[in-house]
Amino acid sequence: QQQVKQSPQSLIVQKGGISIINCAYENTAFDYFPWYQQFPGKGPALLIAIRPDVSEKKEGRFTISFNKSAKQFSLHIMDSQPGDSATYFCAASKGRRADGLTFGKGTHLIIQP
Amino acid sequence: DAGVTQSPTHLIKTRGQQVTLRCSPKSGHDTVSWYQQALGQGPQFIFQYYEEEERQRGNFPDRFSGHQFPNYSSELNVNALLLGDSALYLCASSLTGAEAFFGQGTRLTVV
Repeated sequence: QQQVKQSPQSLIVQKGGISIINCAYENTAFDYFPWYQQFPGKGPALLIAIRPDVSEKKEGRFTISFNKSAKQFSLHIMDSQPGDSATYFCAASKGRRADGLTFGKGTHLIIQP
Repeated sequence: DAGVTQSPTHLIKTRGQQVTLRCSPKSGHDTVSWYQQALGQGPQFIFQYYEEEERQRGNFPDRFSGHQFPNYSSELNVNALLLGDSALYLCASSLTGAEAFFGQGTRLTVV
């Protein structure tokens, strides 16, 4: 049973455009929702995270939107740059932030110059 | 300040063998988690260690075991290797209640 479903599997965006990746979860006990960025040959790096008591969080060009009733959250990358080309993972956990993260399957993002 | 370091970076083993992977957490972190990432997939949680004890475990068989040492470093052991165990094994460290930081991983190939 996949507890966090991520879409799309791959995404191509023009430089300067907005990249949008969506995730849906099933377990209502989840209360911490991070996004990770992974480059080839590297481990995932934390980008931004949100808790369900807020509907949006913004850090620089990265924004998380959260819809608790729909059990969905999304990552928006504004003014997308070629250096943003990577694989992005949404994740979720319950309790302490670092406890047993459940990851989506990932989105391979390509930003075309 | 060194981040999370894992060794070795690459490893090739034969089916049926045993393997030990090592992780040194980020300075000041007391909790270590291990994840398995198959090619083209998201990481899957194996288990977490805190105060030298397994605190939480994912859906992995008993062939996967671990250990945490007093200096917070950790080992992941896999017995009776299967071809399906081929993956990138990631270690993540954290300070209890805070975000997890990942190492670069150990690429294990079982032949």
